Amino acid sequence: EIVMTQSPATLSVSPGERVTLSCRASQSVSSNLAWYQQKPGQAPRLLIYGASTRATGIPARFSGSGSGTEFTLTISSLQSEDFAVYYCQQYNNWPRTFGQGTKLEIK
Amino acid sequence: QVQLVQSGAEVKKPGASVKVSCKASGYTFTSYGISWVRQAPGQGLEWMGWISAYNGNTNYAQKLQGRVTMTTDTSTTTAYMELRSLRSDDTALYYCARGSHSGNPYPFDIWGQGTMVTVSS
Repeated sequence: EIVMTQSPATLSVSPGERVTLSCRASQSVSSNLAWYQQKPGQAPRLLIYGASTRATGIPARFSGSGSGTEFTLTISSLQSEDFAVYYCQQYNNWPRTFGQGTKLEIK
Repeated sequence: QVQLVQSGAEVKKPGASVKVSCKASGYTFTSYGISWVRQAPGQGLEWMGWISAYNGNTNYAQKLQGRVTMTTDTSTTTAYMELRSLRSDDTALYYCARGSHSGNPYPFDIWGQGTMVTVSS
């Protein structure tokens, strides 16, 4: 099973700041990496797939990069609605696996 | 619009079974698959398994093998997840999510709203 490790677990940031979240896979997942956003009481929402492609309707301030085992999600200028938990997921191998999540908190 | 609508919350006793449904609409059901993902209270996301709505092929998480069965009904465009021999640590929010029909790499692009399953004596 591929283990996905996200860092940091929690990030305290101010609106307007630029943030970078990291995700590492225990073995190569090629570019088959997705990022999801989950707000309290809501289902996860697909943000990025193929490591760097924004899903439909996702604002341009969200960008993804990486391949193989190292990936990042960058939010260029945090908006109030971006404070949430972010999960990475590999869908290259079975079983599909998720990282443990990074929580973005308001500083 | 493309959506997945799940059945309502369930409360079960330990040892019982639960069957959660996921009704798809707005797209060709048999062109995709459905994965099930659960989230224990305050915890992260755990993939449970996948079923192809095209041919019924399945792939289950090893820890759930023997306790979980995923099925589809193409006539009603509905996917089902049955979990047996429930334990307290099965208490979680259960989500269905759209994925690949073939098992090839594909993200989970549409999610249901979630079904809370509580296991308590």
